[in-house]
Amino acid sequence: EAGVAQSPRYKIIEKRQSVAFWCNPISGHATLYWYQQILGQGPKLLIQFQNNGVVDDSQLPKDRFSAERLKGVDSTLKIQPAKLEDSAVYLCASNLPGTGELFFGEGSRLTVL
Amino acid sequence: GQQVMQIPQYQHVQEGEDFTTYCNSSTTLSNIQWYKQRPGGHPVFLIQLVKSGEVKKQKRLTFQFGEAKKNSSLHITATQTTDVGTYFCADGTSYGKLTFGQGTILTVHP
Repeated sequence: EAGVAQSPRYKIIEKRQSVAFWCNPISGHATLYWYQQILGQGPKLLIQFQNNGVVDDSQLPKDRFSAERLKGVDSTLKIQPAKLEDSAVYLCASNLPGTGELFFGEGSRLTVL
Repeated sequence: GQQVMQIPQYQHVQEGEDFTTYCNSSTTLSNIQWYKQRPGGHPVFLIQLVKSGEVKKQKRLTFQFGEAKKNSSLHITATQTTDVGTYFCADGTSYGKLTFGQGTILTVHP
């Protein structure tokens, strides 16, 4: 079974530029999450989708971050404009609604210079 | 999910020694999940605990959920170099949101 796919794996940009990350969850997983993991910290939830609807985006910095999952399958997370403190690994995860285990992708490592 | 605190932040052991990490909350936890993240890797699910006082074992790993559902622990017996990584606990909500602790970094010296 294919896992959660993410791209790009690495991205280096300058502050105030924009960046987009893509995630394709495991087939059939209705729930999709974007987490931000800053070096030395645990993952922090940015946004949770169920199908194409947002369940929780309370910790998403909406002035610069946006995410969509238009067809309820793959998702895009965008940052515009980026700040130095956005340097982190952006992890996508998915699971079946009501089940506990999250399946994480390899992550997209962002460096903002 | 509630904020969970993990201790210790770091643990260095000799191969063969035991290791324990603790997860604590000031409020009652809905359920606890444990994940392992290898250096440079992504979090991988280990186990979920739901019931008060629950104890689960996976080979050399023993997971416990406190009677009051405010704490949890992960114990590894006779560590091996393959156990190296960061161990996270995470508090889960009914709709699936996980709030992760800051993790315990385990180093195993051969």
